[in-house]
Amino acid sequence: QKEVEQDPGPLSVPEGAIVSLNCTYSNSAFQYFMWYRQYSRKGPELLMYTYSSGNKEDGRFTAQVDKSSKYISLFIRDSQPSDSATYLCAMTRSYTGANSKLTFGKGITLSVRP
Amino acid sequence: DGGITQSPKYLFRKEGQNVTLSCEQNLNHDAMYWYRQDPGQGLRLIYYSQIVNDFQKGDIAEGYSVSREKKESFPLTVTSAQKNPTAFYLCASSIWGGLNTEAFFGQGTRLTVV
Repeated sequence: QKEVEQDPGPLSVPEGAIVSLNCTYSNSAFQYFMWYRQYSRKGPELLMYTYSSGNKEDGRFTAQVDKSSKYISLFIRDSQPSDSATYLCAMTRSYTGANSKLTFGKGITLSVRP
Repeated sequence: DGGITQSPKYLFRKEGQNVTLSCEQNLNHDAMYWYRQDPGQGLRLIYYSQIVNDFQKGDIAEGYSVSREKKESFPLTVTSAQKNPTAFYLCASSIWGGLNTEAFFGQGTRLTVV
């Protein structure tokens, strides 16, 4: 079993839809959870960052972590064509040192249709 | 503008040749990283460096080499020993050991073996 599993996609939704992107993980030592957005042929950029369980909201984006279920989600409200990108979840065990290395999911490609 | 610059954007290599990918950052970050991205594979860590003149192997270091002679620069050499080098290579940097905080990625180098 891979440490981080992400729904493979691709995912296509109409503009204005609510999008739910999910990752599961097997290592209970993961403490810090991130979502990166990557546009085609570009480097990833950090979208959301959360520590431990709970929700974090930033505009149309909400990141949710459920450590008891080893499950994280990213919700996008009122999705826009500009949200079309690949979304990667990532997580790490520690803030510093070797354990701060990121473990990524495979990414899911989202397409928002006008 | 602060950021990470990778060059070249596209690179073609003949089989059996070594090739070096450039990564320069002006963010004054201590830590630098090299990832490889293949379709459907997510990001996999090749090498990382947390301080000048020191670097560590990541998950898929075989067939690659790096150097860190300057804080700003972390070049990656793809050697002829790398069996499947065609991929998208991403360089990243962050504050010391802190990839859980904002990691900045370059725009990537697409390497193709011909």
